[in-house]
Amino acid sequence: DVKVTQSSRYLVKRTGEKVFLECVQDMDHENMFWYRQDPGLGLRLIYFSYDVKMKEKGDIPEGYSVSREKKERFSLILESASTNQTSMYLCASSLLGTGEENTIYFGEGSWLTVV
Amino acid sequence: DQQVKQNSPSLSVQEGRISILNCDYTNSMFDYFLWYKKYPAEGPTFLISISSIKDKNEDGRFTVFLNKSAKHLSLHIVPSQPGDSAVYFCAASVTGTASKLTFGTGTRLQVTL
Repeated sequence: DVKVTQSSRYLVKRTGEKVFLECVQDMDHENMFWYRQDPGLGLRLIYFSYDVKMKEKGDIPEGYSVSREKKERFSLILESASTNQTSMYLCASSLLGTGEENTIYFGEGSWLTVV
Repeated sequence: DQQVKQNSPSLSVQEGRISILNCDYTNSMFDYFLWYKKYPAEGPTFLISISSIKDKNEDGRFTVFLNKSAKHLSLHIVPSQPGDSAVYFCAASVTGTASKLTFGTGTRLQVTL
């Protein structure tokens, strides 16, 4: 089974703090993603990466950055956390392919509260 | 602009009956569609998918139907069970876009006894 592991399930941070959310996948997937989920808005893509050191902006990249130094690890960084970044953050991974290989697999999520 | 829409935020169905969850999309380039199920405080789990070359895909109690002309897909769950109570997200992608999925806003299904 594909396993996507997010290191922190629940975090509380102060406004202005730098926040790191870490994600590791064990299936040698090329693609990795960061989404956030908010009530009534569904899942929105923040950033994704299709290779080591490669990254592309998703739909809502403002206020975030990412790092992918190794194939299995994808980090989301909030340079200066703000209260509107309080959300559930979901990491995901998938093969680089088409059709059924487009299926992406999610981690369990990280609940971030910014106070 | 919401390219994938789930217009029903919630649905309540009796155990044993059919649950039908609907999804509409606007981008005609989408050619691969997926349904994910999500329990509270957990990540979404993949349920079933369908390619645009098909109009139906079945997996046990779950069937997804695709109507390309109407840009509409639906998920049928028969029979519905209490464990099916969750939020269901519809998602779509364009082949060759590195699995970049566009999600709907979700429908909360409650299966009652």
